[in-house]
Amino acid sequence: GQNIDQPTEMTATEGAIVQINCTYQTSGFNGLFWYQQHAGEAPTFLSYNVLDGLEEKGRFSSFLSRSKGYSYLLLKELQMKDSASYLCGTYNQGGKLIFGQGTELSVKP
Amino acid sequence: DADVTQTPRNRITKTGKRIMLECSQTKGHDRMYWYRQDPGLGLRLIYYSFDVKDINKGEISDGYSVSRQAQAKFSLSLESAIPNQTALYFCATSDLTSGGAGEQFFGPGTRLTVL
Repeated sequence: GQNIDQPTEMTATEGAIVQINCTYQTSGFNGLFWYQQHAGEAPTFLSYNVLDGLEEKGRFSSFLSRSKGYSYLLLKELQMKDSASYLCGTYNQGGKLIFGQGTELSVKP
Repeated sequence: DADVTQTPRNRITKTGKRIMLECSQTKGHDRMYWYRQDPGLGLRLIYYSFDVKDINKGEISDGYSVSRQAQAKFSLSLESAIPNQTALYFCATSDLTSGGAGEQFFGPGTRLTVL
């Protein structure tokens, strides 16, 4: 089966850096996604990792360690608009995408 | 125009009623998914489909059924709605890429309330 854990909520200060962790267990792992979701809106794609290492995309970076079943999303130079829920999801080889419960990030001035 | 659309966007119904939520996409993707979202529980997979003849149960399929009428259409039905099916429902699509799994594109969501 698939099981994903991430912190329920985090708070950070505008301009700072925050790291959101995700641990997972899945059979037939075929990649890990991060999505951003603002309240009442649809999730939007942030990143996809299938190989170990760091993927950087502007202010956002995502890291994967397959041997440890671990990923993190790093957000730099935080802005107020980054206040949102961040969803970690794993894809298995059967094409099933399962999400964690999401991490609610609050950015304070 | 939106690539993934859902109708209705909001629906209030009564216990025991049959409800159908519809999803259409213009992305040409083969894979379509239905999720429900409840506060504190993230997105939970209800059903998914890889093509018109392929339907698979997700994590929480009890009480739901689906129909893949065409590549572009995937409907979710609640045969007899109950209050604990009150939630925000999302449809999503994806396709395989040369790098593996494809990014999912979500519809705007349907807010369903069962009284």
